Amino acid sequence: RKEVEQDPGPFNVPEGATVAFNCTYSNSASQSFFWYRQDCRKEPKLLMSVYSSGNEDGRFTAQLNRASQYISLLIRDSKLSDSATYLCVVNAGGYQKVTFGIGTKLQVIP
Amino acid sequence: DGGITQSPKYLFRKEGQNVTLSCEQNLNHDAMYWYRQDPGQGLRLIYYSQIVNDFQKGDIAEGYSVSREKKESFPLTVTSAQKNPTAFYLCASSIPGDSSGTEAFFGQGTRLTVV
Repeated sequence: RKEVEQDPGPFNVPEGATVAFNCTYSNSASQSFFWYRQDCRKEPKLLMSVYSSGNEDGRFTAQLNRASQYISLLIRDSKLSDSATYLCVVNAGGYQKVTFGIGTKLQVIP
Repeated sequence: DGGITQSPKYLFRKEGQNVTLSCEQNLNHDAMYWYRQDPGQGLRLIYYSQIVNDFQKGDIAEGYSVSREKKESFPLTVTSAQKNPTAFYLCASSIPGDSSGTEAFFGQGTRLTVV
């Protein structure tokens, strides 16, 4: 089983739609979780951290389910500018490496 | 401003040559990483270092070498043993730990092309 798994997509959604991505992780001791956004031919940039209680930033909501070992990202009212690849990132804490998922490609269609 | 800098942005290499990609950070981060990304693919870990003078192989270390003589610097050498080096290389740094604020910060990447 991969350490971090994501559906690579692509997810093609119309403008204004709500879309959700999930990401599962295998290390139950993982401590911190993030969603990154990567635009074509650019470096990944932090979109948001994922907290145990769930957190929201405008149209974006991230949730963590430790029991089932997954994190989710919900995007409401999708914009054309949301088109990108969304990477799930897990940090096992201490002196252990950060692990990236393969990324989920989102294409928002006019 | 604090940040992580990769150079050069574009690099062309002849077959059989070694090349070194630079990565410098002034974020005072202990951990640094090198990833490779091929078109339409995810990030694959080449090497990582959690502390000065120590580094570990990632998933695809063959044909690459690194050093970590200073906290700020983590150069990657792509050797002639790497059979398919054309890719986008990303360097990242983070604070290892178990609390928030341990996200990774990326440089802008180096596009390496073998000619």
